Amino acid sequence: AQSVTQPDIHITVSEGASLELRCNYSYGATPYLFWYVQSPGQGLQLLLKYFSGDTLVQGIKGFEAEFKRSQSSFNLRKPSVHWSDAAEYFCAVGAWDDKIIFGKGTRLHILP
Amino acid sequence: ETGVTQTPRHLVMGMTNKKSLKCEQHLGHNAMYWYKQSAKKPLELMFVYSLEERVENNSVPSRFSPECPNSSHLFLHLHTLQPEDSALYLCASSQDGLGTGELFFGEGSRLTVL
Repeated sequence: AQSVTQPDIHITVSEGASLELRCNYSYGATPYLFWYVQSPGQGLQLLLKYFSGDTLVQGIKGFEAEFKRSQSSFNLRKPSVHWSDAAEYFCAVGAWDDKIIFGKGTRLHILP
Repeated sequence: ETGVTQTPRHLVMGMTNKKSLKCEQHLGHNAMYWYKQSAKKPLELMFVYSLEERVENNSVPSRFSPECPNSSHLFLHLHTLQPEDSALYLCASSQDGLGTGELFFGEGSRLTVL
């Protein structure tokens, strides 16, 4: 069965520091991979997605993610975080003929 | 108005009440979804409608009843709910296939069952 694991429930980084949020997936077919962000009181917004091609994907708000098939990972990165990046981040996996499955999320806290 | 709009934003109801959540999308998408978001649990897909036909019912209890009268509107009718049904209910829409398309979410309806 397909699954998505985000091993970190909470992460705290200082403003201006770099960020990496981890995501591992288990899926039998070629996956479609997504990162979504949810700010407090808001719905989820797509940051980026990977379907095929270049394994390094650029998204909105300065985020990027790298697909590593050998490690079944799709980690999200940002070189320098801003206080406005404080939110919850969800990794998700889908397929052409199957629904999208979300991870439990990682809550990002930013220290001033 | 653009995007996905959900009403009401907050709802408090007793276990014997009947209420409905409404979702409207202004994006011209052909698929709409209901998700349940509870604390410390992954986002749970409840229902999917594609071209106004239900294509997914993820073992949701019958006290939740969806309705999709047209491709722009989606309802979730609630009756005889339990306290454990308290959660944030998110509506989403997409244009592409079930597991491949970008989901556009509303801001959610926060439900509290007393």
